[in-house]
Amino acid sequence: GQQVKQSSPSLTVQEGGISILNCDYENDMFDYFAWYKKYPDNSPTLLISVRSNVDKREDGRLTVFLNKSGKHFSLHITASQPEDTAVYLCAAGENQGGSAKLIFGEGTKLTVSS
Amino acid sequence: DMKVTQMPRYLIKRMGENVLLECGQDMSHETMYWYRQDPGLGLQLIYISYDVDSNSEGDIPKGYRVSRKKREHFSLILDSAKTNQTSVYFCASSPGTGGGAETLYFGSGTRLTVL
Repeated sequence: GQQVKQSSPSLTVQEGGISILNCDYENDMFDYFAWYKKYPDNSPTLLISVRSNVDKREDGRLTVFLNKSGKHFSLHITASQPEDTAVYLCAAGENQGGSAKLIFGEGTKLTVSS
Repeated sequence: DMKVTQMPRYLIKRMGENVLLECGQDMSHETMYWYRQDPGLGLQLIYISYDVDSNSEGDIPKGYRVSRKKREHFSLILDSAKTNQTSVYFCASSPGTGGGAETLYFGSGTRLTVL
């Protein structure tokens, strides 16, 4: 089964609004959580990540919320802009001596309309 | 310049042919990965390599093998390619140590078509 799941394949938000992207995971041992952004015909790039010892991390317009008991984490993008339009991939894994065997979700295509 | 380089960018092969996908990185990263991306399935991990000759299966290793003889180079081999191996293949590397140890740096991908 899919260990990391993004249940919404797509999301449309008005410019200036808040985009909320969700991700669920199954493995209790996961202790590293990340969001990657991918434009068409480009490679994924890291947006923001968090370790399991915190439940929230902010970086500019981005905030990651982690709910370990619910095995759920989310990405909030405030003041959404058309250039935020992309596919967002969540990823989770267990840190194994520095590296993490990252498992990715299916992706959510975010469209920010002006 | 920190970079993960994949060759080739596009590749067309016939069923049964052997395929070699190459990946290089200039960051001295310990850990390297091969993923494939298919519509609706996201990125699926094929193999992970923790260092030279230290490779481990990912979630979908069947039909693939890998080779890492130098830290900066990681190859994905398809012996007798199948049509269901048509996909976009991404190589990635991560530092493995220090801050941002788990951060993946991806190559630009190889779009493989098996006819």
